[in-house]
Amino acid sequence: DQQVKQNSPSLSVQEGRISILNCDYTNSMFDYFLWYKKYPAEGPTFLISISSIKDKNEDGRFTVFLNKSAKHLSLHIVPSQPGDSAVYFCAASNSGGGADGLTFGKGTHLIIQP
Amino acid sequence: GAGVSQTPSNKVTEKGKYVELRCDPISGHTALYWYRQSLGQGPEFLIYFQGTGAADDSGLPNDRFFAVRPEGSVSTLKIQRTERGDSAVYLCASSRGGINEAFFGQGTRLTVV
Repeated sequence: DQQVKQNSPSLSVQEGRISILNCDYTNSMFDYFLWYKKYPAEGPTFLISISSIKDKNEDGRFTVFLNKSAKHLSLHIVPSQPGDSAVYFCAASNSGGGADGLTFGKGTHLIIQP
Repeated sequence: GAGVSQTPSNKVTEKGKYVELRCDPISGHTALYWYRQSLGQGPEFLIYFQGTGAADDSGLPNDRFFAVRPEGSVSTLKIQRTERGDSAVYLCASSRGGINEAFFGQGTRLTVV
């Protein structure tokens, strides 16, 4: 049973426009959420996170929104750049982002078109 | 180098053989994680070390899988009697604190034929 779901395997966005990646979760015990970016043949790189006590966190071009009642979060990238083309993973923790393992979604392949 | 190093980068082995995958964490990082990423899936948690001890090994799929970190630095993931279903990329991450501060290595791609 997938506790973290990314229902779009891929997403194509024009350069300069907004990219919106979505993630849903089923476990109400999750209290910390993270987004990772992964290029081919490299390990995932931490991008941005949000605690369940917040509904928005912003870092430069990246903003994560959390809707706890809907158990939904999204990552907004604006403006999208060619270097943003990668696989994005949503991940969740029930230890406040502490040392325990994360539950990952299957990922969304973002393709930025020139 | 300054990052997490995993060796080998690729490993092909025959079904039934034993394999060892190595992870060199970033110096000074006390926390170390192993994940497995199968084709088309996200990384799946296997085990977490804090120092030399396994703080959480609930993700290990069965007793063919074992991991050690004897001196609190390098870790080895050991898989006995490999099966074709073990084929995946095995990722290691290390952290000074929580998982959100963790850095991942490039992974070891294991193929069992």
